[in-house]
Amino acid sequence: EVQLVESGGALVQPGRSLRLSCTASGFIFGDYAMSWFRQAPGEGLEWVGFIRGKAYVYGGTIQYAASVKDRFTISRDDSNSVAYLQMNSLKTEDTAVYYCGRGGHCSTTTCPLVIDYWGQGTLVTVSS
Amino acid sequence: DIVMTQSPDSLAVSLGERATINCKSSQSVLYSSNNKNYLAWYKQTPGQPPKLLISWASTRESGVPDRFSGSGSATDFTLTISSLQAEDVAVYYCKQYYSPPLTFGGGTKVEIK
Repeated sequence: EVQLVESGGALVQPGRSLRLSCTASGFIFGDYAMSWFRQAPGEGLEWVGFIRGKAYVYGGTIQYAASVKDRFTISRDDSNSVAYLQMNSLKTEDTAVYYCGRGGHCSTTTCPLVIDYWGQGTLVTVSS
Repeated sequence: DIVMTQSPDSLAVSLGERATINCKSSQSVLYSSNNKNYLAWYKQTPGQPPKLLISWASTRESGVPDRFSGSGSATDFTLTISSLQAEDVAVYYCKQYYSPPLTFGGGTKVEIK
């Protein structure tokens, strides 16, 4: 059974840092891209960024939404099936539930970002 | 960036009736080399993460009831619930994965009339 469990959410002050983890099980982690999304209270879904799987010709490629570029960093530890979201210089507008998502399955030539499994989310509140 | 526009914002439908949600992209999400539309539909209920219903515009995920169907191509897409059930009350989102940044529609809230 595929499972994704986020952790690390907390109440933090503006300007501080936080690292979220997404621990995966039930599939070959390294074969998949992993993405992060967020949802502010009462709002819609926003993509944060992704990191592609190593099988893809551009394996390990990372891309970010403009709103977080240069502040957030995504990484992965394939040996332990964990994806990370390092968040620096946090702003009040970063307050949201953060979700990790699996997808897609990466071959050498394709890595379509169909998010087929999601974690339950972890709440990040940025407030003084 | 590809802008995804959903309509309507909300929809009230009687049990057993059809619900139709539209999604329009600001540019084509049809990849010519494989003739696939890079468009997915998700369902979200309060306090829960999104659930993938349909990928590639019309491919229903395993376990998703066949009353859910997706159609459309290039820039215009539709999610149809053929016979609304109580458990279908949710917010539905379309999402393009043709090119980063991945973008979602604003969501359509489906309720029982």
